[in-house]
Amino acid sequence: SAVISQKPSRDICQRGTSLTIQCQVDSQVTMMFWYRQQPGQSLTLIATANQGSEATYESGFVIDKFPISRPNLTFSTLTVSNMSPEDSSIYLCSFWTSGSREQYFGPGTRLTVT
Amino acid sequence: GNSVTQMEGPVTLSEEAFLTINCTYTATGYPSLFWYVQYPGEGLQLLLKATKADDKGSNKGFEATYRKETTSFHLEKGSVQVSDSAVYFCALSGAGNKLTFGGGTRVLVKP
Repeated sequence: SAVISQKPSRDICQRGTSLTIQCQVDSQVTMMFWYRQQPGQSLTLIATANQGSEATYESGFVIDKFPISRPNLTFSTLTVSNMSPEDSSIYLCSFWTSGSREQYFGPGTRLTVT
Repeated sequence: GNSVTQMEGPVTLSEEAFLTINCTYTATGYPSLFWYVQYPGEGLQLLLKATKADDKGSNKGFEATYRKETTSFHLEKGSVQVSDSAVYFCALSGAGNKLTFGGGTRVLVKP
């Protein structure tokens, strides 16, 4: 099965700054997603990263705060902009395999905003 | 919209005990159902899945059966080990293959 990696694995950032998280899959995948897991909580879908077009955002998430890029079928980035302590979470990317109808997750990026 | 409800934890068990984690869902159409596991300090791993009614998913001694009539997908294991201590998430896939997760259930197995 495909391998998915994220960078950085963790970071501590200052309020008001931005962080870009990278997600790399070792094979081409059609669908990639970004999720947020707030401390002690479940996962919430932020957006679907579409190759060659703008991301599709879920209710409560906006492009200005979470811009996403998907330049090709193996790579995506999520930027957390103008951060506040409320953005402290684990951010996970995932991809969907149409053949097995399964979704696999990256190891996550643990973000702490001070 | 879609939703997943699972029993709250933490669930504390002794080794070799029987584990059940209840999961019920609300969805339009016929979603696929999943259980994911998150071990301490690790990422989210797919544990098992079921894609249609009456399907049984199984892996590592865990089982769950897709019950359409009761809209449930309860996770069971007959004899837990300390290494099964983790957070378990029930999830369903809806339109656009987006996953909706339950709140997670923390399981602690004591020796």
